[in-house]
Amino acid sequence: DGGITQSPKYLFRKEGQNVTLSCEQNLNHDAMYWYRQDPGQGLRLIYYSQIVNDFQKGDIAEGYSVSREKKESFPLTVTSAQKNPTAFYLCASNPQGANEQFFGPGTRLTVL
Amino acid sequence: KQEVTQIPAALSVPEGENLVLNCSFTDSAIYNLQWFRQDPGKGLTSLLLIQSSQREQTSGRLNASLDKSSGRSTLYIAASQPGDSATYLCAPMDSSYKLIFGSGTRLLVRP
Repeated sequence: DGGITQSPKYLFRKEGQNVTLSCEQNLNHDAMYWYRQDPGQGLRLIYYSQIVNDFQKGDIAEGYSVSREKKESFPLTVTSAQKNPTAFYLCASNPQGANEQFFGPGTRLTVL
Repeated sequence: KQEVTQIPAALSVPEGENLVLNCSFTDSAIYNLQWFRQDPGKGLTSLLLIQSSQREQTSGRLNASLDKSSGRSTLYIAASQPGDSATYLCAPMDSSYKLIFGSGTRLLVRP
């Protein structure tokens, strides 16, 4: 069953803690992306990776970090430096280039 | 910087109506444009992808058009059903292969 999985579905964090969101895909896609969605708004790009061991900052990278050690995995760490981390986080992937992008089910992060 | 606007922000129609959702973008240098559907609390489902060289794309009751030179795309939904109720997002792909999203149109189809 091919697709993109994200875990956990819900995540609660205390202020000052780092948390890591998981994103795995078995679609053999080269490119992977992390987006943030706030209520009533569109998606904003945090980080993206076009190939293993390489990634670039998106529009709102401050307070986040990523790694791309394996083609199928692109974890996102929300650090304590992110001032307002409560949001819905979405992971996506596509074959490299101008191809259709597919999304995972999302992780909702709440800071207590 | 690419900016994407979707009009209307919200729409409520009775079942059976045909409807049009609008998307405009400021930079015409795009590779393609994707339309997505998002149900509350869920991820995005890709509906249609229109390449920059295409004028329109159809899937079932959905038809999307693209006028790249004027920076516009429309999503036409025929014979709307309550199950079509969702938020619809458009996203052109820029020259760096990044999608730029609008804020979406929230659609409610009343039985």
